[in-house]
Amino acid sequence: NAGVTQTPKFQVLKTGQSMTLQCAQDMNHEYMSWYRQDPGMGLRLIHYSVGAGITDQGEVPNGYNVSRSTTEDFPLRLLSAAPSQTSVYFCASSYSGPGLGDTQYFGPGTRLTVL
Amino acid sequence: AQSVTQLGSHVSVSEGALVLLRCNYSSSVPPYLFWYVQYPNQGLQLLLKYTTGATLVKGINGFEAEFKKSETSFHLTKPSAHMSDAAEYFCAVSEQGGSEKLVFGKGTKLTVNP
Repeated sequence: NAGVTQTPKFQVLKTGQSMTLQCAQDMNHEYMSWYRQDPGMGLRLIHYSVGAGITDQGEVPNGYNVSRSTTEDFPLRLLSAAPSQTSVYFCASSYSGPGLGDTQYFGPGTRLTVL
Repeated sequence: AQSVTQLGSHVSVSEGALVLLRCNYSSSVPPYLFWYVQYPNQGLQLLLKYTTGATLVKGINGFEAEFKKSETSFHLTKPSAHMSDAAEYFCAVSEQGGSEKLVFGKGTKLTVNP
């Protein structure tokens, strides 16, 4: 199993550009989520999904869109990048979600810089 | 809504010394509690978790944590630090049967001195 994969590893954008961060898992996990990590802020939840076709907002959803058309994939879209979105983004997945105490499996992260 | 406070953004210990990383949580329902570790330039991996049952939980690499409901704490300990323990440690909480949100603390960076 590849586990949770994220592409790209690094990305530089200009303000106003759009892009999609890819996340895929091959563990047949129902729950997937996106976090951003900023120095001194820990990890903050952006969006999450409890299954294909179902998504919900986390703590910091503004400026980000998600969709979940398949169990395996959970892309994160930045519609119009801003410097405040400079961060490291992590995707995570689990079979049944944190509400049942399930362990989250994290991808290696995408480091995004917005100029 | 749940929240986590980690006391001390940086902790420094000598090799062989006790490691104690503090975590206090707030939750309106019984919590699930987690400790994750992040090595430089990597993703997070689970150290240990408390779901139900025994309040003293043992994890990987000799770490353990004790759930104390009366103190709303879940402190992480290791009797003897090793150089390879240098990393950032995150405490996290979710609510049993509640929203499917995992909330993280701000992290504690552990330095181990030779």
